[in-house]
Amino acid sequence: SQQGEEDPQALSIQEGENATMNCSYKTSINNLQWYRQNSGRGLVHLILIRSNEREKHSGRLRVTLDTSKKSSSLLITASRAADTASYFCATDARGTGANNLFFGTGTRLTVIP
Amino acid sequence: DAGVTQSPTHLIKTRGQHVTLRCSPISGHKSVSWYQQVLGQGPQFIFQYYEKEERGRGNFPDRFSARQFPNYSSELNVNALLLGDSALYLCASSPGQTNNQPQHFGDGTRLSIL
Repeated sequence: SQQGEEDPQALSIQEGENATMNCSYKTSINNLQWYRQNSGRGLVHLILIRSNEREKHSGRLRVTLDTSKKSSSLLITASRAADTASYFCATDARGTGANNLFFGTGTRLTVIP
Repeated sequence: DAGVTQSPTHLIKTRGQHVTLRCSPISGHKSVSWYQQVLGQGPQFIFQYYEKEERGRGNFPDRFSARQFPNYSSELNVNALLLGDSALYLCASSPGQTNNQPQHFGDGTRLSIL
């Protein structure tokens, strides 16, 4: 399976702390994306990082990508209660001709006010 | 502009029945993808349609089918429903065919099979 895996499965932190989530995947990729999902809702795109990029920032989000280790991390700085959600990484599958995304199993983040 | 809209939001069916789920993409988006998300898991790819043609199919049985209309809206059909088909069905749209761009998701249809 090309599906990635996020680590940890669940994370609970205090408001104001930083949250780090990790993603590992199995095949070569063109890009990796991070999505957020509030309970019972659809996924919201957060950030896309291409395979030739090592780090990308967007507001309080910082994403790193290490293609040699087939891993990525998402850092949320100065967390807020509103950041409580599930976070998923998603990859394409270079060389397969597939146009879909392969999602990981998700990290459930709880930010305690 | 409206985002991706899906209908119905919730649906209850019994085993053996048939269901049709609907999706309207963001205006100007020509690609629609369908995903199944079982509780506690990440979304699993079912189909992608671009310019009214099937461009990708995931590892789902033939009971699952879909189509895309000239206005780029889409339907997902599931026949002979099984208990294991209970899930959140998500539709995502993007401007083009390739997956090197963000996908815009609707809030899904929650399907429960009794």
